[in-house]
Amino acid sequence: AQSVTQLDSHVSVSEGTPVLLRCNYSSSYSPSLFWYVQHPNKGLQLLLKYTSAATLVKGINGFEAEFKKSETSFHLTKPSAHMSDAAEYFCVVRSDTGRRALTFGSGTRLQVQP
Amino acid sequence: ETGVTQTPRHLVMGMTNKKSLKCEQHLGHNAMYWYKQSAKKPLELMFVYSLEERVENNSVPSRFSPECPNSSHLFLHLHTLQPEDSALYLCASSQDLGRENYGYTFGSGTRLTVV
Repeated sequence: AQSVTQLDSHVSVSEGTPVLLRCNYSSSYSPSLFWYVQHPNKGLQLLLKYTSAATLVKGINGFEAEFKKSETSFHLTKPSAHMSDAAEYFCVVRSDTGRRALTFGSGTRLQVQP
Repeated sequence: ETGVTQTPRHLVMGMTNKKSLKCEQHLGHNAMYWYKQSAKKPLELMFVYSLEERVENNSVPSRFSPECPNSSHLFLHLHTLQPEDSALYLCASSQDLGRENYGYTFGSGTRLTVV
């Protein structure tokens, strides 16, 4: 079985400070991991994905995530937050076998204060 | 636009109404999905289609009826819904069922309110 836990439902940072959104996963097999972002009244947009290549993955808009197998984590980071980063972020997992579709975390709402 | 278009964007319907949600993609993808996004809950997978064939029904009540007439179009037919069915319904597509590793392309969703 596969699952994903986003450890914080809300994160608030000041503009220009680092962002850390935490995600832990559970998977019986080698997982593929994703981060998606959802701006208000919009669909979900793929930020980045890990599919067993480099453990440090770079995505769009300056975001990156590091796959740590020993910690079963895939935390999302950005060195300097921008106001436009305010959105909901979803960590997503898919195992190589078993369930076909992606499993989504419950989401982390990122607020960016001026 | 992402390449996946959902209509309508907003829908208000009574519990006795029948309505349909439409999803369209021209990305050449062979797999399409319906997800339900309710407040304070993770996205819930409802249905999976591959090459117009339903391959997964995630214990969805029969008042939701999907239809996939071709690989570019996906419908969700709604009838006798309950207020708790109010949610954002998201359509997504992927290259193939075996290629979810490439990620999904999502539409902007239909915000459904059942009164």
